[in-house]
Amino acid sequence: SQQGEEDPQALSIQEGENATMNCSYKTSINNLQWYRQNSGRGLVHLILIRSNEREKHSGRLRVTLDTSKKSSSLLITASRAADTASYFCATDGGRGSTLGRLYFGRGTQLTVWP
Amino acid sequence: NAGVTQTPKFRVLKTGQSMTLLCAQDMNHEYMYWYRQDPGMGLRLIHYSVGEGTTAKGEVPDGYNVSRLKKQNFLLGLESAAPSQTSVYFCASIRRFESLYEQYFGPGTRLTVT
Repeated sequence: SQQGEEDPQALSIQEGENATMNCSYKTSINNLQWYRQNSGRGLVHLILIRSNEREKHSGRLRVTLDTSKKSSSLLITASRAADTASYFCATDGGRGSTLGRLYFGRGTQLTVWP
Repeated sequence: NAGVTQTPKFRVLKTGQSMTLLCAQDMNHEYMYWYRQDPGMGLRLIHYSVGEGTTAKGEVPDGYNVSRLKKQNFLLGLESAAPSQTSVYFCASIRRFESLYEQYFGPGTRLTVT
């Protein structure tokens, strides 16, 4: 399977703490993306990191990518109750894969307690 | 600009019944995808389209058909529904920029087959 795998499956923290989620994948990639899904809703794109980038920031989000280990991490700093959601990593499958196609992992369920 | 919309939001079918799920996007995207999401699993690609009049099979196409007669619409059909098709169905359209692809998701259709 080319899909990414998130770790942990579930994460429960207090407001103000940082949340770190990891993603491992198996094939080469051109880019890796993180998505968020609130309960009962569709996925929302958070951030994209290219294979030649090692770190990227967007607001309270920080994504790292280690292509030698085929892994990525998503850090949410100073978490809020509104960050409660499932977070998915998605890879593009690299060269030879269907253009535009993404391979999603099973997600990390983050719960932030007030 | 409504983004990606899906119709209906909920549906209950009896085994053997048929139905069509409609996905519409107003962003002039070429690529559109249909996924299903089941508990504890990531998104699995059913069918996709890279342009008006073209469709292709994804990972789990059996029991589904699709059509892309108009660029803005992507239809997913179930000819004879089975309980195994109980799932949440998401449509996505893809924005291409440079060599990258970002997916925009609809709100989902929750289908129950009894």
